[in-house]
Amino acid sequence: GDSVTQMEGPVTLSEEAFLTINCTYTATGYPSLFWYVQYPGEGLQLLLKATKADDKGSNKGFEATYRKETTSFHLEKGSVQVSDSAVYFCALISGGSYIPTFGRGTSLIVHP
Amino acid sequence: GAVVSQHPSWVICKSGTSVKIECRSLDFQATTMFWYRQFPKQSLMLMATSNEGSKATYEQGVEKDKFLINHASLTLSTLTVTSAHPEDSSFYICSATVDSNQPQHFGDGTRLSIL
Repeated sequence: GDSVTQMEGPVTLSEEAFLTINCTYTATGYPSLFWYVQYPGEGLQLLLKATKADDKGSNKGFEATYRKETTSFHLEKGSVQVSDSAVYFCALISGGSYIPTFGRGTSLIVHP
Repeated sequence: GAVVSQHPSWVICKSGTSVKIECRSLDFQATTMFWYRQFPKQSLMLMATSNEGSKATYEQGVEKDKFLINHASLTLSTLTVTSAHPEDSSFYICSATVDSNQPQHFGDGTRLSIL
């Protein structure tokens, strides 16, 4: 079955540091890939998405590129802020399903 | 656009009480709504999928008599936790989608604490 593997957290960074959160997947066919962000006490918000190989999703300074050859969708940001502290979930939807498969989430803590 | 409102955001109640959580799509018609449960520092666990006007489809291991789902209209789904016990304490999140080709839009979640 489909699965998503994320790096374990927490990831702790200083403000303005470079961020990478790794995500790899296993899926049949050609899935659509997503990153969601969950701020403390809130639900998930869609951060960015990519629907086909080599697509780059970007939003709020975050970006991720759909790499079919490495089955990866790593999240990056050049300069993090304290307000980026949250839990980030990688997810995929494959085939005709509308139900995403989520990774376990990676907690990001950014210190001033 | 695509706002999903979940209410209440926080509930504390005694063991044995039934609790209803509402999920509304405010600016779109949601053909399908989903209910998730999230344990601390864990990912989301899909509990059930509900389509307007039909019975919900529950995931394996989820008690349908315990977690009653009603999807009476294209903008409202409710989850009722019946005779809640402390082990039902969790963070419950709903989401909604217009169709299978669109991402889900999530509510802000409901923190349920059973004493």
